[in-house]
Amino acid sequence: GQQLNQSPQSMFIQEGEDVSMNCTSSSIFNTWLWYKQDPGEGPVLLIALYKAGELTSNGRLTAQFGITRKDSFLNISASIPSDVGIYFCAGRPTNDYKLSFGAGTTVTVRA
Amino acid sequence: DAGVIQSPRHEVTEMGQEVTLRCKPISGHNSLFWYRQTMMRGLELLIYFNNNVPIDDSGMPEDRFSAKMPNASFSTLKIQPSEPRDSAVYFCASSNHRGEQYFGPGTRLTVT
Repeated sequence: GQQLNQSPQSMFIQEGEDVSMNCTSSSIFNTWLWYKQDPGEGPVLLIALYKAGELTSNGRLTAQFGITRKDSFLNISASIPSDVGIYFCAGRPTNDYKLSFGAGTTVTVRA
Repeated sequence: DAGVIQSPRHEVTEMGQEVTLRCKPISGHNSLFWYRQTMMRGLELLIYFNNNVPIDDSGMPEDRFSAKMPNASFSTLKIQPSEPRDSAVYFCASSNHRGEQYFGPGTRLTVT
């Protein structure tokens, strides 16, 4: 699948701060997924979004499916040390099982 | 529930040897995906199956790579002969009817 534009590429944040990252695409998707990958592990699904405009939370994580269906963002509130990792967005077009992935956002938390 | 299971977790082999990676998808998932992840190229889709049938293998790099899914609970990715540039982490993922893909822990392959 096509590569999505994910930003920022990396970020250093202070513990307790809020974090935002986003993904954009030139194509329309009908599903947006957000994953977190820890070193030596596989990506873990955090949040799945299915409708334009949808806003979904999972604990301190909140993600939104953009109205144009070409973008999505992920917020992490009140970051803690275990939020360190690489976050990937992924989009799925209609009638296709394949996902397109962003290049990832590396989050490092300063204690 | 058990997630996607992959074996082995680590594999070190010499160039020219055959390598077989194994995957057991989540029960009830009807699609299975094989990915390769490297620092340089990120996450690349190699091949995916739907209902045990290969649907898209356009990501398979060369004829040295082959994948099979003989039944709904097992898949293999084989590299024969292996080369140093095949060194990477190989992930298997399975998805449900909503398209949510769940990844296994990966196999770290090193070809010397």
